[in-house]
Amino acid sequence: AQTVTQSQPEMSVQEAETVTLSCTYDTSENNYYLFWYKQPPSRQMILVIRQEAYKQQNATENRFSVNFQKAAKSFSLKISDSQLGDTAMYFCASPHNNNDMRFGAGTRLTVKP
Amino acid sequence: NAGVTQTPKFQVLKTGQSMTLQCAQDMNHEYMSWYRQDPGMGLRLIHYSVGAGITDQGEVPNGYNVSRSTTEDFPLRLLSAAPSQTSVYFCASSYSRDTEAFFGQGTRLTVV
Repeated sequence: AQTVTQSQPEMSVQEAETVTLSCTYDTSENNYYLFWYKQPPSRQMILVIRQEAYKQQNATENRFSVNFQKAAKSFSLKISDSQLGDTAMYFCASPHNNNDMRFGAGTRLTVKP
Repeated sequence: NAGVTQTPKFQVLKTGQSMTLQCAQDMNHEYMSWYRQDPGMGLRLIHYSVGAGITDQGEVPNGYNVSRSTTEDFPLRLLSAAPSQTSVYFCASSYSRDTEAFFGQGTRLTVV
């Protein structure tokens, strides 16, 4: 069973608008880190943002921010002022048991001009 | 600074053949892992290592072997390739599980 769930296989957004990608996870750990990675058509995986679970403040990196709800095990990614270069697959990642890191199935985001 | 280097980039195998996917990193990272990427399945963890001499299974380990004799190298071995192993394989490394992972460019493997 998938331990990281991304319920939106595909999404699209108009250039300059805002879009939110959802992610839920399942871990028994208390202190951990969550990640969003981007995979453009080049296939190269790139870190977008990282969230520390023991911090209540949501992480922000320029146009990218997260809405982290620890009790609900929810970790959504908000992209503001979407740009054509944001078109990519986005993967959420969460720790599992025994020190491993699991990824979701991904959301394919298309930014339309 | 090369980062994470995976070879080969493309490979076609016949069912039953064996091969090794190579992965090397020059960042002195302790944590390394192998994932396979299939449409609609995302990245699934095959095996990982927290340091030289230490490896463990991920969620889809069957049909794959790994070893970690040095900090730099983490090869993935397919002992008897099957069509179900057709996929894109990624190697990743990081200081630990909780820090940014750096990925190789991927290997597209086709088993016929």
